[in-house]
Amino acid sequence: GQNIDQPTEMTATEGAIVQINCTYQTSGFNGLFWYQQHAGEAPTFLSYNVLDGLEEKGRFSSFLSRSKGYSYLLLKELQMKDSASYLCAVVDSNYQLIWGAGTKLIIKP
Amino acid sequence: ETGVTQTPRHLVMGMTNKKSLKCEQHLGHNAMYWYKQSAKKPLELMFVYNFKEQTENNSVPSRFSPECPNSSHLFLHLHTLQPEDSALYLCASSTSDRDSNQPQHFGDGTRLSIL
Repeated sequence: GQNIDQPTEMTATEGAIVQINCTYQTSGFNGLFWYQQHAGEAPTFLSYNVLDGLEEKGRFSSFLSRSKGYSYLLLKELQMKDSASYLCAVVDSNYQLIWGAGTKLIIKP
Repeated sequence: ETGVTQTPRHLVMGMTNKKSLKCEQHLGHNAMYWYKQSAKKPLELMFVYNFKEQTENNSVPSRFSPECPNSSHLFLHLHTLQPEDSALYLCASSTSDRDSNQPQHFGDGTRLSIL
């Protein structure tokens, strides 16, 4: 079967750095997305990785290792507004998005 | 972002009612999706439409009936729902269901409660 694993919940301190991991086992791989979802709101696109390596976009970076079936989202200089759920999703060989259950990130002052 | 609009935002209905969820996208996309989101579970893909044609139906019970009259509008008709159907229903759109590097854009969802 297809599976995406992410931690259920993480806590970090304002101003710090946090890394949210995602491991996947899917039938094929055509890319990996990270989305942010604030409570009661729509998921919004953060990043897309299809090649190995690190993609940096401001305070957020996303890393991919296809051989390990592993990605992480790195958030720097954490702000209170970064409190949200972070969803990992993999595009499989049928171009379907396989979703993780999301990681709820709690930022404390 | 108001590219994808869903109505209503909240819906409470009895098990014998009939209601419809509406989704509209203003992004010029050709693919539209219905998802179910339950607490602490992955998003469940329900239906996919590409250029108004249904391309995916992930074993969804017949009490959920989708309709896509054009590439900008998507409906989910609800009939004789069960308590376990209570969830957040999200609509999304993208350029095509085969563009693997293009993100899906989501609406804020309809929070559905079945009494």
